[in-house]
Amino acid sequence: RKEVEQDPGPFNVPEGATVAFNCTYSNSASQSFFWYRQDCRKEPKLLMSVYSSGNEDGRFTAQLNRASQYISLLIRDSKLSDSATYLCGISSGSARQLTFGSGTQLTVLP
Amino acid sequence: DAGITQSPRHKVTETGTPVTLRCHQTENHRYMYWYRQDPGHGLRLIHYSYGVKDTDKGEVSDGYSVSRSKTEDFLLTLESATSSQTSVYFCAISVTEETQYFGPGTRLLVL
Repeated sequence: RKEVEQDPGPFNVPEGATVAFNCTYSNSASQSFFWYRQDCRKEPKLLMSVYSSGNEDGRFTAQLNRASQYISLLIRDSKLSDSATYLCGISSGSARQLTFGSGTQLTVLP
Repeated sequence: DAGITQSPRHKVTETGTPVTLRCHQTENHRYMYWYRQDPGHGLRLIHYSYGVKDTDKGEVSDGYSVSRSKTEDFLLTLESATSSQTSVYFCAISVTEETQYFGPGTRLLVL
């Protein structure tokens, strides 16, 4: 079993839709949690950190469920520009090194 | 912009040759990382550094070595390149516990 798992998709949704991604992890000692966005042939860019209390940034909401060991990302009112691959990254090491899921591909359709 | 540059950005090399990739940061952050990204595998950690001359292995370190003689530079060396090391290589820095930023990547093709 992989340490971090994501549904690879692809998710094809119409503009304006709400879409949610989950990411499960196996190491219960994991400390920090992140969602990254990666556009084609570009570097991953930090979208948001994920806190136990949940956090929101505009149309994006991230949540952490430690008991069930998963994090989620909700995108409301999807825009064409949201089309990208979304990666979850989880830190469980003393040097903050991240383990990533393989990414979920999202395409928002007009 | 987290002040990370990588060089070269693209490289084609032949099997058996040594290759060195450079990651440079402008802000003196302690933690630096090398990842590779391949279809179906996502990002995998090769090596990381937690200070000058302090490095450790990641998940896929075989065939790679690193050096960090200055805070701002983290070098990744493929000792004898193989076709399986064809990949996109990303350097990253940890700014805080809650922020890790990536460089623009190096596309390496080993023929």
